[in-house]
Amino acid sequence: EAGVTQFPSHSVIEKGQTVTLRCDPISGHDNLYWYRRVMGKEIKFLLHFVKESKQDESGMPNNRFLAERTGGTYSTLKVQPAELEDSGVYFCASSQAAVAPWGYTFGSGTRLTVV
Amino acid sequence: AQTVTQSQPEMSVQEAETVTLSCTYDTSENNYYLFWYKQPPSRQMILVIRQEAYKQQNATENRFSVNFQKAAKSFSLKISDSQLGDTAMYFCAFMKPGTYKYIFGTGTRLKVLA
Repeated sequence: EAGVTQFPSHSVIEKGQTVTLRCDPISGHDNLYWYRRVMGKEIKFLLHFVKESKQDESGMPNNRFLAERTGGTYSTLKVQPAELEDSGVYFCASSQAAVAPWGYTFGSGTRLTVV
Repeated sequence: AQTVTQSQPEMSVQEAETVTLSCTYDTSENNYYLFWYKQPPSRQMILVIRQEAYKQQNATENRFSVNFQKAAKSFSLKISDSQLGDTAMYFCAFMKPGTYKYIFGTGTRLKVLA
């Protein structure tokens, strides 16, 4: 089966611009997660979708970040306007069940650099 | 709140040798899961090994094994017969049962030298 796919793999934007990251989960996986790793720091949870609904967005840093999952398929994470501290690697993961810790599949991540 | 600490930002090992990556964590929970994930350069992050806290026996997956010391809250990863393909970032992670959030450490960059 195809894995979790993230686009783009790298993005370099200027401070103040807008960037949209995309995640295509494994087909049939209702649960989709976003995580972020700021350089040199730990990977941190951002939010969790169940189908098209946001189940938990407690990790979203601020209102410059907007996540959507239209139709319960792919998800986008928009940063507007981007700031320097938003630089990092954004990971997406998906699973069938929300509480099965062995069933998560991660993507390769999107490396975002804000200059 | 749970925390995970990886004190080795970078490590290197000669091919065919053994290396141990350290991980400590802090929690007041009695039951939980611990994980090691691996991310090769520009590739997806994959699960290497998983340990349930209620199991005393250390998990093993081929050349990968853990040393789980519950009382010390330590969860180290041993890689035997290191291969060039083991070069990657390694992340230690914690999860409470019944939840969906990983708590990750800062990672250890491992380079296997030919």
